[in-house]
Amino acid sequence: AQTVTQSQPEMSVQEAETVTLSCTYDTSESDYYLFWYKQPPSRQMILVIRQEAYKQQNATENRFSVNFQKAAKSFSLKISDSQLGDAAMYFCASLNAGGTSYGKLTFGQGTILTVHP
Amino acid sequence: SAVISQKPSRDICQRGTSLTIQCQVDSQVTMMFWYRQQPGQSLTLIATANQGSEATYESGFVIDKFPISRPNLTFSTLTVSNMSPEDSSIYLCSGARDYSYNEQFFGPGTRLTVL
Repeated sequence: AQTVTQSQPEMSVQEAETVTLSCTYDTSESDYYLFWYKQPPSRQMILVIRQEAYKQQNATENRFSVNFQKAAKSFSLKISDSQLGDAAMYFCASLNAGGTSYGKLTFGQGTILTVHP
Repeated sequence: SAVISQKPSRDICQRGTSLTIQCQVDSQVTMMFWYRQQPGQSLTLIATANQGSEATYESGFVIDKFPISRPNLTFSTLTVSNMSPEDSSIYLCSGARDYSYNEQFFGPGTRLTVL
């Protein structure tokens, strides 16, 4: 079974500053994917960034980057130059590429990010 | 990616009634999924909607309570049957285009309130 844990229910950051959201996961599969999704008040889930477990290089998407520590099963999201539009609930998620839970997303509890002007 | 729409966007229903939520994708997708999200909480997978066969339900969810249809590769419905206030949640559908399912895109959700 997969588990995803986000230990920070809430985080806040000043506009233009950097913030890091934490996530740990557990899976018995060797092939899997990790994701960060953003859910603003509109409820629309938006994919922020994706990491393939077999890739050692950390994924980056503009101001968003991850620190993927496979041995520690840690997958944190760094948001640089934070903007007011970054305010949302952020979910960490994992997806097994094999096994009985193949293709199923497992989500963490979420972290509410507040951006102060 | 693809664009997913859901109808209705929100509804208020009486206990004991049923509501069918529609999910429409603007292009064909391999798999579709239905999730439940209680206010301020995480997403829980209800079932995987398979085209041409019965849906696959997760532990704690049963077909009699949440019947699902998937008549083609762009459309699915979820019915919440014999509703109780505990069914008040946001229901989201998602789609995945390839067989690795490693990129799921989501609809905007349906906010259901049961009185």
